[in-house]
Amino acid sequence: DAGVIQSPRHEVTEMGQEVTLRCKPISGHDYLFWYRQTMMRGLELLIYFNNNVPIDDSGMPEDRFSAKMPNASFSTLKIQPSEPRDSAVYFCASRPGLAVGEQFFGPGTRLTVL
Amino acid sequence: AQSVTQPDIHITVSEGASLELRCNYSYGATPYLFWYVQSPGQGLQLLLKYFSGDTLVQGIKGFEAEFKRSQSSFNLRKPSVHWSDAAEYFCAVGARGNEKLTFGTGTRLTIIP
Repeated sequence: DAGVIQSPRHEVTEMGQEVTLRCKPISGHDYLFWYRQTMMRGLELLIYFNNNVPIDDSGMPEDRFSAKMPNASFSTLKIQPSEPRDSAVYFCASRPGLAVGEQFFGPGTRLTVL
Repeated sequence: AQSVTQPDIHITVSEGASLELRCNYSYGATPYLFWYVQSPGQGLQLLLKYFSGDTLVQGIKGFEAEFKRSQSSFNLRKPSVHWSDAAEYFCAVGARGNEKLTFGTGTRLTIIP
């Protein structure tokens, strides 16, 4: 079975550009999570969805960040405009509705903003 | 609020030696506890989890962890490490009714021959 799929795996962009990260969760999973990982701050939860509805976006750093989940098999995290401090690895994770806790992570997108 | 502390940032052990990675949590109710492993360039993979019952839980790759409520700890152990165990290890805490997991800052494990 395919796991969580993220694209692109690497993204290099210049400050001020728009960046879109994509995630396909595991089929049948009701929850989707977006995380950011940096050396300084570790693994931070940005936002999570339940049945395509955003439940908690309190971790989204600022208005430059937005996330959508138009259907059960696709989610995007957009940064507009991007800044060098956004450079990080962004992970998407999903889990079934009835499972408690365990999240299945994608391979991540390494974002570098120059 | 729930929190997780992994006091060791980096640990180095010899191949074949035993391993213990420390994790302390803070949570008012009964926690759900997890250990994840992250190999370089990869996402996080679940090693094991504790919800209730037997306080010694077995996971994949020969790992085990013991839940000690009195010490608020959930330490990860392996009797004999292999070079392929070199990775970063994360402890996480969650709870029923709270969909979020709180992760520790991770412990990087280096294996020397």
